[in-house]
Amino acid sequence: KNEVEQSPQNLTAQEGEFITINCSYSVGISALHWLQQHPGGGIVSLFMLSSGKKKHGRLIATINIQEKHSSLHITASHPRDSAVYICAVLSNSGYALNFGKGTSLLVTP
Amino acid sequence: DVKVTQSSRYLVKRTGEKVFLECVQDMDHENMFWYRQDPGLGLRLIYFSYDVKMKEKGDIPEGYSVSREKKERFSLILESASTNQTSMYLCASLPGQGNQPQHFGDGTRLSIL
Repeated sequence: KNEVEQSPQNLTAQEGEFITINCSYSVGISALHWLQQHPGGGIVSLFMLSSGKKKHGRLIATINIQEKHSSLHITASHPRDSAVYICAVLSNSGYALNFGKGTSLLVTP
Repeated sequence: DVKVTQSSRYLVKRTGEKVFLECVQDMDHENMFWYRQDPGLGLRLIYFSYDVKMKEKGDIPEGYSVSREKKERFSLILESASTNQTSMYLCASLPGQGNQPQHFGDGTRLSIL
């Protein structure tokens, strides 16, 4: 089983701050996902990565396959970014995702 | 846009009841998944299905069964509900081809009293 570790577990930031959430995993993967979950809401896929870097608006995701590490960055954070951010990996041999425990982000005005 | 619909957002049942959670997707996806999400534990896979009538156990299948009689519908069954099955249940679907993200339903918050 691919262990997925996220840090930090909880994060509070002021509006406008640059935010980084980290994810490490233990074995080879075919893809890594970053997901967002608002309180009481469903889960939305933000990014799917197998190499390099992707950007969507104020969100940037990077992955280093050799180091088995990914980061999610949020630039110019806003209170509406407050959510749980979840890292998940798809192993080379599987259909199903292995999930990190999530990072709970609160952005205050 | 892919739509994954779970039949209930909130559900309250009693210990020992047989409970059905329904999930329907509208994009002809081959793969469907049932997860439960608990504080401090994250999402854990209960069962998944890669085709009609096919199922595979996930990490925590005990106390659950599933049914996939039609491609669009994947049901999770709690044969005899227990209080430790109180949780948020999430369904997801995924096409069979290519490396693509899973699409999640809004979740069912199930309380077993």
